[in-house]
Amino acid sequence: DGGITQSPKYLFRKEGQNVTLSCEQNLNHDAMYWYRQDPGQGLRLIYYSQIVNDFQKGDIAEGYSVSREKKESFPLTVTSAQKNPTAFYLCASSNDGGNQPQHFGDGTRLSIL
Amino acid sequence: GESVGLHLPTLSVQEGDNSIINCAYSNSASDYFIWYKQESGKGPQFIIDIRSNMDKRQGQRVTVLLNKTVKHLSLQIAATQPGDSAVYFCAENMDTGRRALTFGSGTRLQVQP
Repeated sequence: DGGITQSPKYLFRKEGQNVTLSCEQNLNHDAMYWYRQDPGQGLRLIYYSQIVNDFQKGDIAEGYSVSREKKESFPLTVTSAQKNPTAFYLCASSNDGGNQPQHFGDGTRLSIL
Repeated sequence: GESVGLHLPTLSVQEGDNSIINCAYSNSASDYFIWYKQESGKGPQFIIDIRSNMDKRQGQRVTVLLNKTVKHLSLQIAATQPGDSAVYFCAENMDTGRRALTFGSGTRLQVQP
């Protein structure tokens, strides 16, 4: 089946620790996106990538980093600089995110120990 | 667009009734709009989209209406079923140069049996 796979489903971070969230897609989409969702709120864009080896900051990029070495993969690292990392993180992909639907994974819930 | 808040607006309807979920979008230059459905603990699912050269688009049991004059988008769900209970988000491509979507804060739909 074609789709987006996020792992792990639940993740715990200790103080001062970096953690990496995985996102893999087999939809052959060029563009990939990371969003953060807080309780009772909409999605806020962290980073996005329109093509391999290129990515741009979204609205809330501070404390996060990404890489796009392969078309299928767009991992997100939540660094220790992100002081409030507890949230639901969603990855999406699209052929053209501004003009076509984005397809989402089922998210990773990150909590602080 | 919708203001971001800790408490989602909630629409409660009886099973079998029609539901109308509203969204005020932000940018008059936006030319692509989309509705998503999100169930608890899952990623958003695409419902229907519409481009600015249209006023109305119909899908299976759903209709999206676009009023560009007042920057208003609505989602109509016919014969609402318990499985329709979820949070619904509208999104627009506010910044066409970025080729990404900007999401509203969502509306919770509760279907009473």
